[in-house]
Amino acid sequence: DAKTTQPNSMESNEEEPVHLPCNHSTISGTDYIHWYRQLPSQGPEYVIHGLTSNVNNRMASLAIAEDRKSSTLILHRATLRDAAVYYCILRDIGAGGTSYGKLTFGQGTILTVHP
Amino acid sequence: EAQVTQNPRYLITVTGKKLTVTCSQNMNHEYMSWYRQDPGLGLRQIYYSMNVEVTDKGDVPEGYKVSRKEKRNFPLILESPSPNQTSLYFCASSLGATRSEAFFGQGTRLTVV
Repeated sequence: DAKTTQPNSMESNEEEPVHLPCNHSTISGTDYIHWYRQLPSQGPEYVIHGLTSNVNNRMASLAIAEDRKSSTLILHRATLRDAAVYYCILRDIGAGGTSYGKLTFGQGTILTVHP
Repeated sequence: EAQVTQNPRYLITVTGKKLTVTCSQNMNHEYMSWYRQDPGLGLRQIYYSMNVEVTDKGDVPEGYKVSRKEKRNFPLILESPSPNQTSLYFCASSLGATRSEAFFGQGTRLTVV
């Protein structure tokens, strides 16, 4: 499985933008980039995903490098409710294989948001 | 409301006593999977199912069984639980295996003594 590398932790102040980086230098052409987050005592929650182009939704934006070897999750205005562990995941869309469809969670980035 | 429902949320059991953790989704999703989450190891996939009657092993399937007789349900069965299966378990579902978002249940915290 292609691996991702994220900082262990980041801090932000409320209402400021947050840029969460992710390196995935061994990404393959069939990997989608997914971001999930896990709030305390809850299951992981989908945030956003993309393949090559930048993506926006109501929760966040995803900026993908042109070579796809890195990406950045952008929270435009952090709130206290955004404090969570953020996971950058590569999801294999290649046909068959034991990694097909699997979400491989790393350690993620613990985001702390200060009032 | 679209959701994945796991039961029970908490369970304490003894070694060797068979148990089943249920998982149900109301979104007509084809792909379902089970994960366990342990400190320092993150979330690891146990089993997954591409559709009814189609299941396959994930990364850590030993000691677990699953079945997919109906699209909405994907129970996780521990035939003879052992203490090393003490963990936080999550069920997830998605429309397809790859491009679509996955919805996770609230989790089942299992303790085997």
